[in-house]
Amino acid sequence: SQQGEEDPQALSIQEGENATMNCSYKTSINNLQWYRQNSGRGLVHLILIRSNEREKHSGRLRVTLDTSKKSSSLLITASRAADTASYFCATTGAGSYQLTFGKGTKLSVIP
Amino acid sequence: DAGITQSPRHKVTETGTPVTLRCHQTENHRYMYWYRQDPGHGLRLIHYSYGVKDTDKGEVSDGYSVSRSKTEDFLLTLESATSSQTSVYFCAISETGADNEKLFFGSGTQLSVL
Repeated sequence: SQQGEEDPQALSIQEGENATMNCSYKTSINNLQWYRQNSGRGLVHLILIRSNEREKHSGRLRVTLDTSKKSSSLLITASRAADTASYFCATTGAGSYQLTFGKGTKLSVIP
Repeated sequence: DAGITQSPRHKVTETGTPVTLRCHQTENHRYMYWYRQDPGHGLRLIHYSYGVKDTDKGEVSDGYSVSRSKTEDFLLTLESATSSQTSVYFCAISETGADNEKLFFGSGTQLSVL
Protein backbone atom coordinates (compact mmCIF):
# COMPACT_ATOMS: atom_id res chain seq x y z
CA SER A 1 0.00 0.00 0.00
CA GLN A 2 1.22 3.52 -0.73
CA GLN A 3 2.48 5.46 2.20
CA GLY A 4 3.12 8.83 0.56
CA GLU A 5 0.67 10.68 -1.64
CA GLU A 6 1.91 13.62 -3.66
CA ASP A 7 -0.16 16.63 -4.52
CA PRO A 8 -0.75 17.92 -7.12
CA GLN A 9 -0.51 15.03 -9.57
CA ALA A 10 0.66 17.44 -12.27
CA LEU A 11 2.00 20.97 -12.20
CA SER A 12 2.87 23.30 -15.06
CA ILE A 13 4.79 26.54 -14.48
CA GLN A 14 6.86 29.09 -16.36
CA GLU A 15 10.63 29.08 -16.16
CA GLY A 16 11.81 31.23 -13.28
CA GLU A 17 8.77 30.57 -11.12
CA ASN A 18 8.83 28.52 -7.94
CA ALA A 19 7.33 25.03 -7.84
CA THR A 20 5.83 23.52 -4.72
CA MET A 21 4.90 19.87 -4.35
CA ASN A 22 3.35 18.27 -1.31
CA CYS A 23 3.51 14.80 0.15
CA SER A 24 1.18 13.37 2.78
CA TYR A 25 1.69 10.08 4.55
CA LYS A 26 -0.34 7.92 6.88
CA THR A 27 1.83 6.39 9.58
CA SER A 28 4.76 7.63 11.63
CA ILE A 29 8.05 7.79 9.77
CA ASN A 30 11.76 7.76 10.50
CA ASN A 31 12.83 9.62 7.38
CA LEU A 32 11.38 11.10 4.26
CA GLN A 33 13.21 11.34 0.96
CA TRP A 34 12.50 13.09 -2.33
CA TYR A 35 13.49 11.66 -5.70
CA ARG A 36 13.37 13.00 -9.26
CA GLN A 37 12.69 10.93 -12.36
CA ASN A 38 13.35 12.25 -15.82
CA SER A 39 11.34 10.69 -18.62
CA GLY A 40 12.57 7.19 -19.46
CA ARG A 41 15.16 7.16 -16.69
CA GLY A 42 15.58 5.81 -13.19
CA LEU A 43 14.97 7.80 -10.02
CA VAL A 44 17.64 10.09 -8.63
CA HIS A 45 17.85 10.97 -4.96
CA LEU A 46 17.44 14.66 -4.17
CA ILE A 47 17.26 15.12 -0.42
CA LEU A 48 16.52 13.32 2.85
CA ILE A 49 14.91 14.85 5.91
CA ARG A 50 14.78 13.08 9.25
CA SER A 51 11.68 12.95 11.41
CA ASN A 52 13.27 15.29 13.98
CA GLU A 53 14.07 17.94 11.36
CA ARG A 54 11.66 20.62 10.18
CA GLU A 55 13.45 22.10 7.19
CA LYS A 56 16.35 21.29 4.94
CA HIS A 57 17.99 23.03 2.00
CA SER A 58 20.05 21.82 -0.91
CA GLY A 59 20.84 24.33 -3.63
CA ARG A 60 17.51 25.48 -5.10
CA LEU A 61 15.61 22.83 -3.14
CA ARG A 62 13.88 23.42 0.15
CA VAL A 63 12.12 20.60 1.97
CA THR A 64 9.89 20.98 4.99
CA LEU A 65 8.46 18.30 7.23
CA ASP A 66 5.49 18.62 9.56
CA THR A 67 5.14 15.37 11.49
CA SER A 68 2.03 16.61 13.31
CA LYS A 69 0.26 16.92 9.96
CA LYS A 70 2.10 13.96 8.43
CA SER A 71 3.12 16.03 5.46
CA SER A 72 6.16 17.32 3.62
CA SER A 73 6.68 19.85 0.89
CA LEU A 74 9.35 20.24 -1.76
CA LEU A 75 10.00 23.72 -3.07
CA ILE A 76 12.09 24.28 -6.17
CA THR A 77 13.02 27.94 -6.53
CA ALA A 78 13.73 29.74 -9.81
CA SER A 79 12.74 26.71 -11.85
CA ARG A 80 14.45 25.79 -15.10
CA ALA A 81 13.32 23.76 -18.09
CA ALA A 82 15.74 21.05 -16.94
CA ASP A 83 13.66 20.64 -13.76
CA THR A 84 10.89 19.09 -15.89
CA ALA A 85 10.49 15.64 -14.36
CA SER A 86 8.36 13.59 -11.99
CA TYR A 87 9.03 14.00 -8.28
CA PHE A 88 8.40 11.30 -5.70
CA CYS A 89 8.43 11.27 -1.94
CA ALA A 90 9.45 8.09 -0.16
CA THR A 91 9.27 7.17 3.50
CA THR A 92 10.65 4.64 5.92
CA GLY A 93 8.65 3.86 9.00
CA ALA A 94 9.42 2.54 12.44
CA GLY A 95 10.78 -0.99 12.32
CA SER A 96 11.17 -1.05 8.54
CA TYR A 97 14.08 -0.19 6.32
CA GLN A 98 11.99 -0.47 3.19
CA LEU A 99 11.29 2.70 1.27
CA THR A 100 7.66 3.23 0.33
CA PHE A 101 7.08 5.57 -2.60
CA GLY A 102 4.20 7.84 -3.46
CA LYS A 103 2.66 8.14 -6.90
CA GLY A 104 4.56 11.27 -7.85
CA THR A 105 4.00 14.80 -9.10
CA LYS A 106 4.71 15.48 -12.77
CA LEU A 107 6.30 18.91 -13.11
CA SER A 108 6.51 20.70 -16.45
CA VAL A 109 8.61 23.87 -16.64
CA ILE A 110 7.84 25.88 -19.75
CA PRO A 111 10.74 27.88 -21.20
CA ASP B 1 23.34 5.63 -13.24
CA ALA B 2 25.67 4.81 -10.36
CA GLY B 3 27.21 1.67 -11.89
CA ILE B 4 23.93 -0.19 -12.31
CA THR B 5 23.09 -1.96 -15.54
CA GLN B 6 19.73 -3.51 -16.25
CA SER B 7 19.21 -5.92 -19.09
CA PRO B 8 17.37 -6.12 -21.32
CA ARG B 9 16.16 -2.50 -21.58
CA HIS B 10 13.06 -3.56 -23.49
CA LYS B 11 11.34 -6.90 -23.82
CA VAL B 12 8.13 -8.10 -25.41
CA THR B 13 6.95 -11.56 -24.49
CA GLU B 14 3.85 -13.71 -24.59
CA THR B 15 1.61 -14.75 -21.74
CA GLY B 16 2.80 -17.92 -20.07
CA THR B 17 6.47 -17.65 -21.02
CA PRO B 18 9.24 -17.35 -18.44
CA VAL B 19 11.16 -14.09 -18.30
CA THR B 20 14.34 -13.18 -16.46
CA LEU B 21 15.52 -9.64 -15.90
CA ARG B 22 19.07 -8.96 -14.81
CA CYS B 23 20.53 -6.24 -12.63
CA HIS B 24 24.30 -5.86 -12.46
CA GLN B 25 26.11 -3.43 -10.14
CA THR B 26 29.73 -2.42 -9.92
CA GLU B 27 29.43 -0.60 -6.55
CA ASN B 28 29.78 -3.66 -4.30
CA HIS B 29 26.66 -2.57 -2.39
CA ARG B 30 25.13 -5.11 -0.09
CA TYR B 31 21.45 -4.35 -0.70
CA MET B 32 19.66 -4.73 -4.04
CA TYR B 33 15.99 -4.17 -4.81
CA TRP B 34 13.50 -4.80 -7.58
CA TYR B 35 10.63 -2.34 -8.00
CA ARG B 36 7.88 -2.11 -10.56
CA GLN B 37 6.42 1.19 -11.72
CA ASP B 38 2.88 1.47 -13.02
CA PRO B 39 0.71 4.50 -13.80
CA GLY B 40 -1.38 5.39 -10.79
CA HIS B 41 0.66 3.21 -8.42
CA GLY B 42 4.08 4.77 -8.28
CA LEU B 43 6.90 2.39 -7.39
CA ARG B 44 6.19 -0.81 -5.52
CA LEU B 45 8.79 -3.14 -4.04
CA ILE B 46 8.78 -6.68 -5.42
CA HIS B 47 11.75 -8.35 -3.71
CA TYR B 48 15.00 -7.29 -2.18
CA SER B 49 18.30 -8.88 -1.24
CA TYR B 50 20.54 -8.15 1.73
CA GLY B 51 23.41 -10.36 0.65
CA VAL B 52 24.39 -13.30 -1.50
CA LYS B 53 21.58 -15.86 -1.34
CA ASP B 54 19.70 -13.68 1.16
CA THR B 55 16.43 -12.38 -0.21
CA ASP B 56 13.03 -11.32 1.09
CA LYS B 57 9.62 -10.42 -0.25
CA GLY B 58 8.31 -6.94 -0.81
CA GLU B 59 4.83 -5.57 -1.22
CA VAL B 60 3.99 -7.20 -4.58
CA SER B 61 6.00 -10.44 -4.71
CA ASP B 62 3.33 -12.84 -6.03
CA GLY B 63 4.32 -14.26 -9.43
CA TYR B 64 7.99 -13.25 -9.04
CA SER B 65 11.10 -14.98 -7.79
CA VAL B 66 14.62 -13.67 -7.36
CA SER B 67 18.12 -15.00 -7.01
CA ARG B 68 21.44 -13.54 -5.99
CA SER B 69 24.40 -15.85 -6.47
CA LYS B 70 26.97 -13.06 -6.62
CA THR B 71 27.17 -9.68 -4.92
CA GLU B 72 26.97 -7.87 -8.25
CA ASP B 73 24.02 -9.67 -9.83
CA PHE B 74 20.36 -9.75 -8.84
CA LEU B 75 17.95 -11.63 -11.11
CA LEU B 76 14.18 -11.21 -11.25
CA THR B 77 12.22 -14.08 -12.78
CA LEU B 78 8.62 -14.19 -13.90
CA GLU B 79 7.97 -17.94 -14.00
CA SER B 80 4.91 -17.60 -16.23
CA ALA B 81 4.36 -14.04 -17.40
CA THR B 82 0.88 -12.53 -17.28
CA SER B 83 -0.47 -9.34 -18.83
CA SER B 84 -0.74 -7.79 -15.35
CA GLN B 85 3.06 -7.96 -15.15
CA THR B 86 3.41 -5.51 -18.03
CA SER B 87 5.33 -2.73 -16.33
CA VAL B 88 8.60 -0.87 -16.04
CA TYR B 89 10.97 -2.68 -13.72
CA PHE B 90 13.67 -0.85 -11.80
CA CYS B 91 16.61 -2.24 -9.94
CA ALA B 92 18.04 -0.22 -7.07
CA ILE B 93 20.98 -0.60 -4.72
CA SER B 94 22.03 0.73 -1.35
CA GLU B 95 25.21 0.25 0.59
CA THR B 96 23.97 -0.95 3.99
CA GLY B 97 20.17 -0.89 3.81
CA ALA B 98 19.95 1.62 6.65
CA ASP B 99 16.72 3.59 6.72
CA ASN B 100 18.53 6.89 6.28
CA GLU B 101 20.30 5.72 3.18
CA LYS B 102 19.47 6.78 -0.36
CA LEU B 103 18.86 4.34 -3.15
CA PHE B 104 20.59 4.39 -6.52
CA PHE B 105 18.46 3.29 -9.44
CA GLY B 106 19.12 1.67 -12.77
CA SER B 107 17.54 2.95 -15.98
CA GLY B 108 14.75 0.39 -16.00
CA THR B 109 13.43 -2.45 -18.14
CA GLN B 110 10.21 -1.93 -20.08
CA LEU B 111 8.41 -5.29 -20.16
CA SER B 112 5.33 -5.91 -22.28
CA VAL B 113 3.42 -9.17 -21.87
CA LEU B 114 1.03 -9.79 -24.74
